[in-house]
Parts: sequence; C-alpha cells; structure tokens
Amino acid sequence: AQSVSQHNHHVILSEAASLELGCNYSYGGTVNLFWYVQYPGQHLQLLLKYFSGDPLVKGIKGFEAEFIKSKFSFNLRKPSVQWSDTAEYFCAVNPAYSSASKIIFGSGTRLSIRP
Amino acid sequence: KAGVTQTPRYLIKTRGQQVTLSCSPISGHRSVSWYQQTPGQGLQFLFEYFSETQRNKGNFPGRFSGRQFSNSRSEMNVSTLELGDSALYLCASSLGLAGSNSYEQYFGPGTRLTVT
Repeated sequence: AQSVSQHNHHVILSEAASLELGCNYSYGGTVNLFWYVQYPGQHLQLLLKYFSGDPLVKGIKGFEAEFIKSKFSFNLRKPSVQWSDTAEYFCAVNPAYSSASKIIFGSGTRLSIRP
Repeated sequence: KAGVTQTPRYLIKTRGQQVTLSCSPISGHRSVSWYQQTPGQGLQFLFEYFSETQRNKGNFPGRFSGRQFSNSRSEMNVSTLELGDSALYLCASSLGLAGSNSYEQYFGPGTRLTVT
C-alpha cells in the first residue's frame, strides 16, 4: 500500500534560515506529487505540484521542491524563511494514470519561525 | 471565482445522532473529495465523487457515506456518531479525477464537528 512519510514533525527556525522539509513515499509506479500549506486559521492551499517534466518545481511564495525518483523523495525547500511561513506543511502523493487511485497525505510538519 | 464552500462551519452533536455536511465545489469542478483531519491521525481520505459516482473510498466504516448531485455539490453523512468522529471535515474540489494531470485540489474551510 502506498504511504507518505514526513519525518520532521516540528521544525523551528530563525528568520532568514534555509528550510528543507523531507517527504518520502512508497509506491513503485508513476506518481503526482504535491505540497500543501495550512497557515493558522486558514484553508489548506496548494504550494506546488509535480506531474512530469523538470523534477525541480517552483511554487508560490519562493518555495521549490525537487523530485528524486531514485530516492522516492519530494523535499520542499526555501532559501530564506520569513516569520509569515509559520504554518503546517503537508506532502501528498497520488498514483498517476489511474482513476482508482487515492491521494495520500503525510502526517504534516509544523514549521515555527522565530522572529 | 468563488472558492469551495462548506456548511455548516461548526456543529455539535450527541453520540448516536447522525449528521449531514455539505460542500459546494468551485464552479466547473466535477471531482469532490472528503477528508477527516484530526491532530492524531492527520488528513485521512474518506471518499471521492466524480460525476455523481463514488470513484474512491478510504478505510472508514460504513457509517460514513456520501453522495454527489448533478450540479457537483456533495454531501457527507455520518450515522450513529461516536466520540471519535470529532474532527475537522474537509472538502476539496478538482477539475479532474485523481490520477489525472488536471488533479489539483482546492480545499474548503472545513466543518468542525464535535461529538459529545
């Protein structure tokens, strides 16, 4: 069965620090990959997505993620975080080309930024 | 374009009762998915509807059911409520079906259900 692991449950950084949040999945076939963010009191929003093509994808608010197929990973990065990036981040995986596929979310990583 | 709307936003029910939650997707979106979000379990997939048909189902008991109408609006029903059903129930809509390259979900604000 497919699964998604986000090993960092809570990350605390100072402003201007670089960020990398890990996401690993288990599924042998082609996948669509997503990162969602949930700011305090707000809806889940799509940060970025990967369907095919360039494995380095850029999203909103300066975030990017790299798909490394050999490592089954889709880590989220940002070179310099801001206090406003405080939120919970979810990685999600959906097997591609299958209408019977489900999207599976990771357990989330809470990011706290110290001003 | 209006976003995904969910009603009601908050609900308090007693054990044993049933509840119906409603979701209106973004105009033109035909896929509606439901999720349960709790601090301990995170986001868990309940089911997905597309063109009035349930296409996928998560690992929840039969007390959880749903349906989708011809205008793509969806309802989720939970019967015989248990304390453990207390959670935030999220609805998400997408243009395309899961697995397609037009599968990009937009989430609603959720319905906070408290079972006492």
